[in-house]
Amino acid sequence: QSALTQPRSVSGSPGQSVTISCTGTTSDVADSKYVSWYQDHPGKAPKLIIFGVSKRPSGVPDRFSGSKSGNTASLTISGLQAEDEADYYCCSYAGTYVFGTGTKVTVL
Amino acid sequence: QVHLVESGGGLVKPGGSLRLSCAASGFTFTDHYMSWIRQTPGKGLEWLSYITGSTTYTHFADSVRGRFTVSRDNSENSLYLQMDRLTAEDTGVYYCARMDYSNSYFDYWGQGTLVTVSS
Repeated sequence: QSALTQPRSVSGSPGQSVTISCTGTTSDVADSKYVSWYQDHPGKAPKLIIFGVSKRPSGVPDRFSGSKSGNTASLTISGLQAEDEADYYCCSYAGTYVFGTGTKVTVL
Repeated sequence: QVHLVESGGGLVKPGGSLRLSCAASGFTFTDHYMSWIRQTPGKGLEWLSYITGSTTYTHFADSVRGRFTVSRDNSENSLYLQMDRLTAEDTGVYYCARMDYSNSYFDYWGQGTLVTVSS
């Protein structure tokens, strides 16, 4: 099963919003209710920030939101902050767990 | 506070073997499925395997089935990954992660251990 496709990088200024797409096939994403997103700061343990397409674990700021339309899931970071600079990965379960290619978010 | 610490990574020759460990704390270990996930230069993040809380059942990605074995010692709150017949493509950072199996996500990860397969 191929990795889900994410843009290599996105950037924004503090306070702006950025959206990261995660595109798969009908079976990978469109038919799955199990899309999750992870934040990965270098040298730290990856952190769950969205599960079930749009649910946030307790402690995750509400500036992180998830959605899905057709074969594409999206993560939006509103009110971008310096500490949001990290790599972000989507993941979908559709018989097996498939991760996205990863997106580097840069805060300008 | 959930804490996962991987160990056992290092340099190994192609065709060799390595056993990774993951020490878990801060939660009831037997209540959770556990997974191994790796990050490689060629494929990015890749789920490898999970094991049920009772150790009854294991499941593997096609890429490692038959070469990797997962186990756990619930008395020691530890998870293991035995990796055999390693190739250069297995080079990467290996993470253990706690799973919410019902909702198919990984809610806590360790910081990873680096495995390098090279002659």
